[in-house]
Amino acid sequence: AQTVTQSQPEMSVQEAETVTLSCTYDTSESDYYLFWYKQPPSRQMILVIRQEAYKQQNATENRFSVNFQKAAKSFSLKISDSQLGDAAMYFCAYRSIQGAQKLVFGQGTRLTINP
Amino acid sequence: NAGVTQTPKFQVLKTGQSMTLQCAQDMNHEYMSWYRQDPGMGLRLIHYSVGAGITDQGEVPNGYNVSRSTTEDFPLRLLSAAPSQTSVYFCASSTLAGNYNEQFFGPGTRLTVL
Repeated sequence: AQTVTQSQPEMSVQEAETVTLSCTYDTSESDYYLFWYKQPPSRQMILVIRQEAYKQQNATENRFSVNFQKAAKSFSLKISDSQLGDAAMYFCAYRSIQGAQKLVFGQGTRLTINP
Repeated sequence: NAGVTQTPKFQVLKTGQSMTLQCAQDMNHEYMSWYRQDPGMGLRLIHYSVGAGITDQGEVPNGYNVSRSTTEDFPLRLLSAAPSQTSVYFCASSTLAGNYNEQFFGPGTRLTVL
């Protein structure tokens, strides 16, 4: 079974600076998807960015980018120019490319933005 | 377009009581699922369905029942609530067509079992 590990329960960063959230995963599959979700205090789960394992190029969405290291099974999220609205829980998630669309989540990292 | 809706938003139960958490989607999605979120454990899959009449267990199915009689609705039943079921519950849905399909989450239900 696949597992996802986020080893940083909490992180903090000064507004306008850059922060990186870590995620590692374990799988025997060669094709899969990886995701970062944001959960603000409203509880709503918001997809931030996704990465297909067969793509070598790291995904980027505006101020959010990932560092995908397939051999190391690492998938970190970099947030540039941090804003107060980025404060939230961030979850890393894995989804197999085969079968049902089950998501396996990490434990989450709570990100605080200091003004 | 309402997306994924969940009711109620909050619920308090006593041990042994039963209740149903409702989930509905208006996007004609084949896939629907239930997750529970507990502090320090992320979201864990309870049950899922790939279409009307088809359900299967996820990672933590014990104490929960589901059925899928229509494409739109996927209720989660707690037959005899226990304090260990205190959690936040999320319903999600997605289409099965194509290679990548974003899952859309409902707003969640916070359940407390006393």
